[in-house]
Amino acid sequence: DTAVSQTPKYLVTQMGNDKSIKCEQNLGHDTMYWYKQDSKKFLKIMFSYNNKELIINETVPNRFSPKSPDKAHLNLHINSLELGDSAVYFCASSLGRTSGKIQYFGPGTRLLVL
Amino acid sequence: DQQVKQNSPSLSVQEGRISILNCDYTNSMFDYFLWYKKYPAEGPTFLISISSIKDKNEDGRFTVFLNKSAKHLSLHIVPSQPGDSAVYFCAASVDDKIIFGKGTRLHILP
Repeated sequence: DTAVSQTPKYLVTQMGNDKSIKCEQNLGHDTMYWYKQDSKKFLKIMFSYNNKELIINETVPNRFSPKSPDKAHLNLHINSLELGDSAVYFCASSLGRTSGKIQYFGPGTRLLVL
Repeated sequence: DQQVKQNSPSLSVQEGRISILNCDYTNSMFDYFLWYKKYPAEGPTFLISISSIKDKNEDGRFTVFLNKSAKHLSLHIVPSQPGDSAVYFCAASVDDKIIFGKGTRLHILP
């Protein structure tokens, strides 16, 4: 009965590979987010979807493509992985769009690119 | 360009005393400020928030103070407990934009 779940929890892969991270929320929220926490510990928003519509798309390489098949899911696909993509990726969700809304985070996916 | 800054990477406080975590921001358009707490290997969890039209919000042991003229907010935890040892992130938002600070690691000493 986890509120926001992510799979996989750990991902180790070679440079150049393509990988996907899945996120699901069972809170009935209408907005979902992807964040990247890099080695410097900054937590930076990458994308946000509201009712399956993209509302935030920060300066992220187009190798990263989010997909929201429905309001409860927001997946992240990464093409041609690079060393600099190594980070912890967090999914989050909220009821309503961003400002002032409490976000519920998943446990994170630790991606290591070798 | 960091719009939300937490200048203290870490802070140690004796159990039972007050913990004060600080956060500065540069964008006067931010209308909500939130604090999140994060334990190792877990995602951040919401702690407390404040709207820009207020200067104080209290929830149990946690109080957030906002000084708009100084573009500064602080989180007070009193009394501090061992379970408060974690990383605390300050976040500021407006419209569809949200910016997190780098976090402050709080150690509660026995």
